Amino acid sequence: DTGVSQDPRHKITKRGQNVTFRCDPISEHNRLYWYRQTLGQGPEFLTYFQNEAQLEKSRLLSDRFSAERPKGSFSTLEIQRTEQGDSAMYLCASSSTSGGYNEQFFGPGTRLTVL
Amino acid sequence: QQQVKQSPQSLIVQKGGISIINCAYENTAFDYFPWYQQFPGKGPALLIAIRPDVSEKKEGRFTISFNKSAKQFSLHIMDSQPGDSATYFCAASRDNFNKFYFGSGTKLNVKP
Repeated sequence: DTGVSQDPRHKITKRGQNVTFRCDPISEHNRLYWYRQTLGQGPEFLTYFQNEAQLEKSRLLSDRFSAERPKGSFSTLEIQRTEQGDSAMYLCASSSTSGGYNEQFFGPGTRLTVL
Repeated sequence: QQQVKQSPQSLIVQKGGISIINCAYENTAFDYFPWYQQFPGKGPALLIAIRPDVSEKKEGRFTISFNKSAKQFSLHIMDSQPGDSATYFCAASRDNFNKFYFGSGTKLNVKP
């Protein structure tokens, strides 16, 4: 399967702990996006990269959140000092700017539960 | 302020019927409008998308109708099947390859 993969699929943590999620995009895709989805809502944009450059960050992305894409391939999203309000599905998507259309392909997501 | 408004929140349709989901937007700079399908526990999957230079796009049983002057677009699912039961999200983006603004979703239940 050459789709977008995310790891872990589920994470349960205690409030105050740090967590890190990984996303592996489709191999030839140069754009990588992170979204957050809470129950019953549509995904909300967090940040995106073109190659290794982080081009935009949402105001939703507080100082406790940091994302990297060090070699322009996989990306990590870290949440420090987790809070119960961080509980959500974290989705990664990728796209290729050579395709002509903004077709973002999503991974299965990482479901975070903060106790 | 929500950039894309979606309705209805939930929809029940009989097998073989037509499912219609509507979305409205305000930002005239939006130039790409996809629809995504999401099953429980899965990530959203691209279903069909349209650009504002056409008024309709059809792929199999799925059709997007686009009304640029009204700033509205809709998804029609013809001959709805129980396997279509999922949550559907409309979205919009501007300036090509930019982030998506998603609607709040419509949970579709197709009764056998």
